[in-house]
Amino acid sequence: SQQGEEDPQALSIQEGENATMNCSYKTSINNLQWYRQNSGRGLVHLILIRSNEREKHSGRLRVTLDTSKKSSSLLITASRAADTASYFCATETQGGSEKLVFGKGTKLTVNP
Amino acid sequence: SQTIHQWPATLVQPVGSPLSLECTVEGTSNPNLYWYRQAAGRGLQLLFYSVGIGQISSEVPQNLSASRPQDRQFILSSKKLLLSDSGFYLCAWSVLGSGANVLTFGAGSRLTVL
Repeated sequence: SQQGEEDPQALSIQEGENATMNCSYKTSINNLQWYRQNSGRGLVHLILIRSNEREKHSGRLRVTLDTSKKSSSLLITASRAADTASYFCATETQGGSEKLVFGKGTKLTVNP
Repeated sequence: SQTIHQWPATLVQPVGSPLSLECTVEGTSNPNLYWYRQAAGRGLQLLFYSVGIGQISSEVPQNLSASRPQDRQFILSSKKLLLSDSGFYLCAWSVLGSGANVLTFGAGSRLTVL
């Protein structure tokens, strides 16, 4: 079953702009992760935020987590054409730590 | 360093034929192993996961099965493929560390059933 739902489904921006993607989920979680997938390739882990954290940074990535609203956002600052990819959130639910449940993803296009 | 190999990369099979996709991991011991399927334009659906040799958990009842004959080998099979089995199959591994389950994915196997 789908746990995370990303929003928007697709996003097109110009190089240099910021890109914001949102993820909502349904059940209590241990952590939430964001992954990136280039077209036709496997997913690559970007960043993890634990349920007791509210914000995390990694390079040009900023992730926030609001457990009261069961939502997270991924911000990519100063986007580049190479950031073009699909981005997925994945949740590790409490009591089910062996598996991650992924959303449907946001397809980001960064135009040069 | 750890690596994950998944093959074949591309497969075109007729309806009713068998399927075997293989995934192996190097450089780690006793990993958790996963098979996900991604239909065109959709998210990832967890099919099977395994926390040890011979231990398989199935998430979705379907035409597929999985086996883990060795610690670092995970195989996805079908006896008779359906059109609906077409998709992009991704193998992944993880080792629980620091209380978090972070997945490392293979490059994927694209299956087209005709």
